[in-house]
Amino acid sequence: QKEVEQNSGPLSVPEGAIASLNCTYSDRVSQSFFWYRQYSGKSPELIMSIYSNGDKEDGRFTAQLNKASQYVSLLIRDSQPSDSATYLCASTAGTALIFGKGTTLSVSS
Amino acid sequence: NAGVTQTPKFQVLKTGQSMTLQCAQDMNHNSMYWYRQDPGMGLRLIYYSASEGTTDKGEVPNGYNVSRLNKREFSLRLESAAPSQTSVYFCASSEIKAPNQPQHFGDGTRLSIL
Repeated sequence: QKEVEQNSGPLSVPEGAIASLNCTYSDRVSQSFFWYRQYSGKSPELIMSIYSNGDKEDGRFTAQLNKASQYVSLLIRDSQPSDSATYLCASTAGTALIFGKGTTLSVSS
Repeated sequence: NAGVTQTPKFQVLKTGQSMTLQCAQDMNHNSMYWYRQDPGMGLRLIYYSASEGTTDKGEVPNGYNVSRLNKREFSLRLESAAPSQTSVYFCASSEIKAPNQPQHFGDGTRLSIL
C-alpha cells in the first residue's frame, strides 16, 4: 500500500529559529510532492510544490526533494508564532494524492 | 474568486438519516475529490472524479456514493448515516497536467451523527 509518513510531533521551536519537517514516501513512481499548512479548524492550504530533485525556495520556505531516498522536507526559516499549524506532506498516486498524517509545529515567542 | 465552495458548513444527523454534501468549484478544474479527516488519521480519500462523467473509489468508499453532476459540481451522499461517519469532510479540485497539479480545498463540512 502506498504511504506517506511524517513524524506527528509536536515539533517545538523558538521564534526566529529554523523549523525542519520531514516526510518519506513509499511509491517510487511518484512525480509530484506538496506541502500543505492546516490551521486548527481550517482547511489545508497549499504552501509549496516540488517536482524535481533539489531545493525550491519561496520566501521563508524551502522544499527539498531526494527521489533516490524517497524523502521530502520543508524548512521554515525565521519561524514565527503564526507558523504554528499542522503541516501535511502529500505525494501523487495517479490522479489522486496520498497525504501523510501531518506534523504539528509550535513556534514559541 | 470563490475557489471551492462546500455546503453546508455544519450538520447534525441522527443515525439512519440520509444527507448530501454539495461541492462546487469555479476554477474550471477537471478533477474533484472528497476526503474525510479524523483525529490522528490524516486526510483519507473517499471518492474522486478524474473528469466529468467518471468517478472512482478511494481508500474509504464504504457507506458513501458520489455524483459528478457537471464539470463544476461533485456531491457526496450518505444514504444511511452511521456514528462512524462523524468527521470533517473536505472537497478538493485540481487540474490534470503533467506533472500533477496541486489540489485546492474547500472550507469543509463538519458532520456529527448521533
